[in-house]
Amino acid sequence: SYVLTQPPSVSVAPGKTARITCGGNNIGSKSVHWYQQKPGQAPVLVIYYDSDRPSGIPERFSGSNSGNTATLTISRVEAGDEADYYCQVWDSSSDVVFGGGTKLTVL
Amino acid sequence: EVQLVQSGAEVKKPGESLKISCKGSGYSFTSYWIGWVRQMPGKGLEWMGIIYPGDSDTRYSPSFQGQVTISADKSISTAYLQWSSLKASDTAMYYCAKAGTTVRDAFDIWGQGTMVTVSS
Repeated sequence: SYVLTQPPSVSVAPGKTARITCGGNNIGSKSVHWYQQKPGQAPVLVIYYDSDRPSGIPERFSGSNSGNTATLTISRVEAGDEADYYCQVWDSSSDVVFGGGTKLTVL
Repeated sequence: EVQLVQSGAEVKKPGESLKISCKGSGYSFTSYWIGWVRQMPGKGLEWMGIIYPGDSDTRYSPSFQGQVTISADKSISTAYLQWSSLKASDTAMYYCAKAGTTVRDAFDIWGQGTMVTVSS
């Protein structure tokens, strides 16, 4: 089965740039989606198909995907960005796969 | 407005059966896949399965195959997740989420979640 690996935690100071990685075998050949989940809330889609943003998601959120690593980048981080972030792909042998999640802490 | 509204929280005993629901509105229910996702307390998201209400094509995660049943009633735009015999380890928040017209698409709309507590 296909496995996605995320760092458990990432910390960043307000106004700086946060990068959250999602590793997988040849993940660059797949389409990656990213979700944000704040405590007590349902997940929200923030990036789809590697780098597209749904309406209502700030331009500060961007994504890239190449080789064995996909990356969610959050520029000019704000306190309100503190949340858990999950990557997700579809794999022909595993169907839907979620990464383990990364807790973003804004210092 | 596109939305998914899930049924309310449940408290059950081990061995009991349960069926929770997810009603879609604001879009063509039969044209988009709907997935179910488990989140155990303090843990990450786990994909359970996905259904295409148009023809009831259903796929399960190997981890949940045989443990749950996913179904849909397109006449009332509602998807279901059911258990025949609950275990304490089924205690979790369960989310339904709308995907696109293909299983590769992202889950763009999520339900509010249904908390299931299984305790004797």
